[in-house]
Amino acid sequence: GEDVEQSLFLSVREGDSSVINCTYTDSSSTYLYWYKQEPGAGLQLLTYIFSNMDMKQDQRLTVLLNKKDKHLSLRIADTQTGDSAIYFCAVLNQAGTALIFGKGTTLSVSS
Amino acid sequence: DGGITQSPKYLFRKEGQNVTLSCEQNLNHDAMYWYRQDPGQGLRLIYYSQIVNDFQKGDIAEGYSVSREKKESFPLTVTSAQKNPTAFYLCASSPARDTEETQYFGPGTRLLVL
Repeated sequence: GEDVEQSLFLSVREGDSSVINCTYTDSSSTYLYWYKQEPGAGLQLLTYIFSNMDMKQDQRLTVLLNKKDKHLSLRIADTQTGDSAIYFCAVLNQAGTALIFGKGTTLSVSS
Repeated sequence: DGGITQSPKYLFRKEGQNVTLSCEQNLNHDAMYWYRQDPGQGLRLIYYSQIVNDFQKGDIAEGYSVSREKKESFPLTVTSAQKNPTAFYLCASSPARDTEETQYFGPGTRLLVL
């Protein structure tokens, strides 16, 4: 079945780069998404990439997409304590009816 | 100020009781969604609606019901048939019926069973 996999935890020091990885099975996605969730809050769209792109840069965020390997990554440069949150990768299912979310990666940033 | 509101922030349910979670949006979005979030489980789709007076079951619809009588409102009822309702419930909306459109999320309602 369709699935989105992410590692559950990542711990970095303030100022370092963070890389969060995501792999997915089948998808009909035109767009692939990264959402951020702070404690006790809803999800906030962080960035997305069009499926015919390899890379998208948006200030401190870089999204890389390898369609052949079905691998998506989010790099956060100069990670700050305010970046501590859960990050979700999401893609559209094959039927095109719903987004499938990964289980989320908890990013912990220490000073 | 446009956005999605969910109420209440916390909700307590007694055994055998039905409870209704509110979701309202003033973004003029056609599509609305309900997700359930459990720790370490990510988000799972309960129901979605792409247009007024129409809705579809998601992956875990059993024990839940919805209505979509108005474009701006998509309430979720957690019925007594839902045996494990304790979770964080998130409502989302997107501008058009096409699921590819970016989804915007409300702040969530945490449901606890007494």
